[in-house]
Amino acid sequence: LAKTTQPISMDSYEGQEVNITCSHNNIATNDYITWYQQFPSQGPRFIIQGYKTKVTNEVASLFIPADRKSSTLSLPRVSLSDTAVYYCLVGDATGANNLFFGTGTRLTVIP
Amino acid sequence: KAGVTQTPRYLIKTRGQQVTLSCSPISGHRSVSWYQQTPGQGLQFLFEYFSETQRNKGNFPGRFSGRQFSNSRSEMNVSTLELGDSALYLCASSLGRNPRGEQYFGPGTRLTVT
Repeated sequence: LAKTTQPISMDSYEGQEVNITCSHNNIATNDYITWYQQFPSQGPRFIIQGYKTKVTNEVASLFIPADRKSSTLSLPRVSLSDTAVYYCLVGDATGANNLFFGTGTRLTVIP
Repeated sequence: KAGVTQTPRYLIKTRGQQVTLSCSPISGHRSVSWYQQTPGQGLQFLFEYFSETQRNKGNFPGRFSGRQFSNSRSEMNVSTLELGDSALYLCASSLGRNPRGEQYFGPGTRLTVT
């Protein structure tokens, strides 16, 4: 079971780029890395998913080094509405293993 | 397309009682996963169902069970409730394909055990 470690909290000013790193030292060959965002009293919302190197979509980028033992979620030019908890999730591609969300990183964007 | 719906949204039960929570996935999604979220333990995986079969199970006691129907709707049941079962229970649906793609979460059911 691949577990993850993230910083508990981070603060950032509006307009800055935020990088949140997740450690997953025992990631397995079949595991993908997925990031979710959660606002209070809501279910998590998918941000981005990747297997290796770099993935980019309209809201974020995901950087995964060659050894895949960590990953970095990059949020460009954050706004106040990006204040939320961000979860790094490592899961088996076949769906055969448990999914472990971890404690998440509470990002607070400051005006 | 309608999102994931969960019923009821709020529930208050007494220790020792049992409870059943319901989840309706997004149309066409065959995988339904359940999670428990508490301030102390965070988001913990309960189990996943795919095509009416339990595909995966987290580390929870046997008091927690679930099932999935032919229309992909899912229920989870908690028997002999304990105070520690007070939590937000989240349901997520996905296509269930390989690789595991985006999961869509419902708003959750807030269970309070007194």
